[in-house]
Amino acid sequence: GAVVSQHPSRVICKSGTSVKIECRSLDFQATTMFWYRQFPKQSLMLMATSNEGSKATYEQGVEKDKFLINHASLTLSTLTVTSAHPEDSSFYICSALDRPGRSSYNEQFFGPGTRLTVL
Amino acid sequence: QKEVEQDPGPLSVPEGAIVSLNCTYSNSAFQYFMWYRQYSRKGPELLMYTYSSGNKEDGRFTAQVDKSSKYISLFIRDSQPCDSATYLCAMWGGGGGSNYKLTFGKGTLLTVNP
Repeated sequence: GAVVSQHPSRVICKSGTSVKIECRSLDFQATTMFWYRQFPKQSLMLMATSNEGSKATYEQGVEKDKFLINHASLTLSTLTVTSAHPEDSSFYICSALDRPGRSSYNEQFFGPGTRLTVL
Repeated sequence: QKEVEQDPGPLSVPEGAIVSLNCTYSNSAFQYFMWYRQYSRKGPELLMYTYSSGNKEDGRFTAQVDKSSKYISLFIRDSQPCDSATYLCAMWGGGGGSNYKLTFGKGTLLTVNP
């Protein structure tokens, strides 16, 4: 299957700093990527849909000025958590959609996740 | 009522047992039904997907969808310790366009004891 990587895998930062997380599709081009947040023992909550070359679409309740998403190329999307606070501590996971429309099935490949801890 | 309901467990079974995991949903527009496995501190990986109602088998795994009851199941035969993980159901209405959002259940934590 297709491979999606995330970097870093884990980050610890001080409150008030900004953190950038990268999501890369390694062996396919992804015009659409998704960013999820997962709290302990909770499901994946979609934060935003990232489309290459256009602005991200944020889910209700997600602050777009706090969670900046840039999808500058077909293989890279970045999520920047600005002015992070302890309540932003979570597991952030991206997924990449392999050529929407190629098959009838919505085949998303997930990255390994980034664990963010804000002190 | 949430769109997708899944009992979070935890579920603990002995090795070799048959495991039954399930989800219910309320949105009749869902057409594609997926099961993901997520190991601790890792991203989800797709196990199986099913379109509309019916059964699908892959090795020790069988997925069932009953759209009339809005109920989906995943069965694991001859469960192994390596099956210990969180299992998430996910659903999608299809149609493509700009909407490829998946709706996930909360996930069921399964432990298979040797």
